[in-house]
Amino acid sequence: DIQLTQSPSFLSASVGDRVTITCRASQGISSYLAWYQQKPGKAPKLLIYAASTLQSGVPSRFSGSGSGTEFTLTISSLQPEDFATYYCQQLNSYPRELTFGGGTKVEIK
Amino acid sequence: EVQLVESGGGLVQPGGSLRLSCAASGFTFSSYDMHWVRQATGKGLEWVSAIGTAGDTYYPGSVKGRFTISRENAKNSLYLQMNSLRAGDTAVYYCARGRLWFGELSAFDYWGQGTLVTVSS
Repeated sequence: DIQLTQSPSFLSASVGDRVTITCRASQGISSYLAWYQQKPGKAPKLLIYAASTLQSGVPSRFSGSGSGTEFTLTISSLQPEDFATYYCQQLNSYPRELTFGGGTKVEIK
Repeated sequence: EVQLVESGGGLVQPGGSLRLSCAASGFTFSSYDMHWVRQATGKGLEWVSAIGTAGDTYYPGSVKGRFTISRENAKNSLYLQMNSLRAGDTAVYYCARGRLWFGELSAFDYWGQGTLVTVSS
């Protein structure tokens, strides 16, 4: 089974900060990685797919990079509405399995 | 506008059954793979099942043999039949649409608001 490890699990940052979240896969997953944002009581929202492709309607301050086993989600200038939990997801081994990372909670400093 | 609306959640005793529904609108439902994902309170996301456009179905080991996903394209509806429920199945259950990228599943691009399933005596 492919495990996804996100780091950090918790991040405290200020408005305007550049934020980077890392997702490491236990084995290579090519570019089959997606990133989601989830706010309390809401469904996850797709931000990035195929490791680096921005979903339509998502602000350009969000970007993704990486391939193989190491991936990053970057928010170039943190906005108040960006305080949320972020999850990565690997789809390389679908349909046998689909796994999510443990999440990174971004809170206001 | 794409919309996914889940229903059918509630309180059920251990060993019991429940059927969730997801009503889809705003897109050609029959053309998309569909998925169920769950999230226990305060926990992360767990993929529960998938159904392809041809009706092919997929499950992780944690629910295989207990859960059955199905779809009714004429009604734009997705279902999840859950049997032999356990306390560990307690979660919010989301339906989600699969997004293809060059013919491969690349993400879940639309999600419903979720329905809460509580398994308790």
